[in-house]
Amino acid sequence: QKEVEQNSGPLSVPEGAIASLNCTYSDRGSQSFFWYRQYSGKSPELIMFIYSNGDKEDGRFTAQLNKASQYVSLLIRDSQPSDSATYLCAPGGSGGYNKLIFGAGTRLAVHP
Amino acid sequence: DTGVSQDPRHKITKRGQNVTFRCDPISEHNRLYWYRQTLGQGPEFLTYFQNEAQLEKSRLLSDRFSAERPKGSFSTLEIQRTEQGDSAMYLCASSSGLLNEKLFFGSGTQLSVL
Repeated sequence: QKEVEQNSGPLSVPEGAIASLNCTYSDRGSQSFFWYRQYSGKSPELIMFIYSNGDKEDGRFTAQLNKASQYVSLLIRDSQPSDSATYLCAPGGSGGYNKLIFGAGTRLAVHP
Repeated sequence: DTGVSQDPRHKITKRGQNVTFRCDPISEHNRLYWYRQTLGQGPEFLTYFQNEAQLEKSRLLSDRFSAERPKGSFSTLEIQRTEQGDSAMYLCASSSGLLNEKLFFGSGTQLSVL
């Protein structure tokens, strides 16, 4: 079993729709959870983080965490073509410092 | 705050040559991480520094790879006797080490081994 699992996609959604990205992880000791966005040929950019069970909203983005189910998700409302990228899920924080273990990422395509 | 800086952006080398990459973290960050990323995969952890001390090195990392952070500021990653399988994007990230720390990545160095 991989440490972090994400559906590789591509996930295709129309402009204005809600994109839902999911991630499961195996390390029950993970304390913090991060979502990075990566455009083709660029480095990962931090867009959301969550530490507690429940929902966290920031603009068009909502992160959801369920530690009991070892599940974290990212919702993107009112999706725009500029949201087209690969989204990387990264749990971390179980070893005293924040060594992030990344999933392979989900490729999102928002079409006009 | 100028962000994490990496140099060079691209490196093309022949198999068997040695290469060295440099990373300058965000100035107040005492933690520094190196990752490697190949096409279609997420970044893979290579090594971690707290100040000048290298506290963890991935078991997947061969002895041809070495990293230093001599004064707790910039870091270098050297690959000796490069192989075609070393072709990847090498990413550096830094963080402040504060509670609930966040990692910020540099632009990366794209290595191509011919």
